[in-house]
Amino acid sequence: AQSVTQLDSQVPVFEEAPVELRCNYSSSVSVYLFWYVQYPNQGLQLLLKYLSGSTLVKGINGFEAEFNKSQTSFHLRKPSVHISDTAEYFCAVSEVRYSTLTFGKGTMLLVSP
Amino acid sequence: GAGVSQSPSNKVTEKGKDVELRCDPISGHTALYWYRQSLGQGLEFLIYFQGNSAPDKSGLPSDRFSAERTGGSVSTLTIQRTQQEDSAVYLCASSLGSGGAYEQYFGPGTRLTVT
Repeated sequence: AQSVTQLDSQVPVFEEAPVELRCNYSSSVSVYLFWYVQYPNQGLQLLLKYLSGSTLVKGINGFEAEFNKSQTSFHLRKPSVHISDTAEYFCAVSEVRYSTLTFGKGTMLLVSP
Repeated sequence: GAGVSQSPSNKVTEKGKDVELRCDPISGHTALYWYRQSLGQGLEFLIYFQGNSAPDKSGLPSDRFSAERTGGSVSTLTIQRTQQEDSAVYLCASSLGSGGAYEQYFGPGTRLTVT
């Protein structure tokens, strides 16, 4: 079984500042890693995913994440946030051979002017 | 093209009643998933369908919950004798295939409120 920990339930940040949302996972088997975003009253949208290869993954809307196997982490970063990035962000894992997702509790990113 | 659609978008029901939630996956997607999003538990996997294989029901919280997928397309999640703890947003997702590499596309969800 896998588990995902998002340590920060809320991250307040000013517009144009950098941000990092933390994600750590635990698994006894190889996994794929994902970040999803959920805007208010909307469904989940995939931001980026790590399957294999380069540990630095670039996604939509200027977000990127780095897979660190030794630290079992997959932190999400953006160098300069916008008001429109205000949303809830979910880190998730799935087994390589099995596609159901295990999600973290989510991190609410609050961007203010 | 059309994404995953779910109906109804909102459902209010009285405790003890049965409810049915519907999911229309993206055409051609063979895998279909149900998840539940609640304040206390976050996002939880409920059930997974892949093609004609037997569904993975390992995430269903009780035998009051069941789901079917007809003709490899539309799915219905049924909750019998609803309880207040069933109040949540029920999300459906579909993907082109099984295996973790396939992206899951999520619907907008059905918000269920049990009074």
